[in-house]
Amino acid sequence: NAGVTQTPKFQVLKTGQSMTLQCAQDMNHNSMYWYRQDPGMGLRLIYYSASEGTTDKGEVPNGYNVSRLNKREFSLRLESAAPSQTSVYFCASSANSFLTTDTQYFGPGTRLTVL
Amino acid sequence: SQQGEEDPQALSIQEGENATMNCSYKTSINNLQWYRQNSGRGLVHLILIRSNEREKHSGRLRVTLDTSKKSSSLLITASRAADTASYFCATAGSFSQGGSEKLVFGKGTKLTVNP
Repeated sequence: NAGVTQTPKFQVLKTGQSMTLQCAQDMNHNSMYWYRQDPGMGLRLIYYSASEGTTDKGEVPNGYNVSRLNKREFSLRLESAAPSQTSVYFCASSANSFLTTDTQYFGPGTRLTVL
Repeated sequence: SQQGEEDPQALSIQEGENATMNCSYKTSINNLQWYRQNSGRGLVHLILIRSNEREKHSGRLRVTLDTSKKSSSLLITASRAADTASYFCATAGSFSQGGSEKLVFGKGTKLTVNP
């Protein structure tokens, strides 16, 4: 099993460009999450999907959109990138929809720089 | 939002020594989780301790929970250079008044184990 995979690993964008970060898990998990991690900060939840067909905002959703394409895939889209969105983005998944109890499994991250 | 806060922010020790990291939180919890993040990688779940547990062990890891003090500690015994990583606690929290609870991560303790 590959676990949680993310593409791309690195990306450089210019301000105003758009892009989609892809995430897939092969563990048949119900819940999926997108986080961003900035230097000296913990992880901050952007959006999550507690089950296929549902998505909800997290702590810092502004400037992002998500799609739960199917049970395996959860994508994060930046419509008009801004320098403030320079960060490392992590996708995670968990088996159930017990959002505060389940173990979360993380992907390797996407390092995004917006110039 | 409720958020665990780790202490110290950074810790440097020699191989073979024990490392202790602390996490404090603000409101009642049902459980608390600890995660490890190696440099440039995603987070990896270490251990979950429930509110009715006082201590839990996993290999060289020992986690304690004191609900009266709203704090938890992670002890790594006989540390190794490979333990060099950032360690995060995670607790349930909401991002808005009355909002549903999600897992909220602290800012982490950066542990360096010198050979």
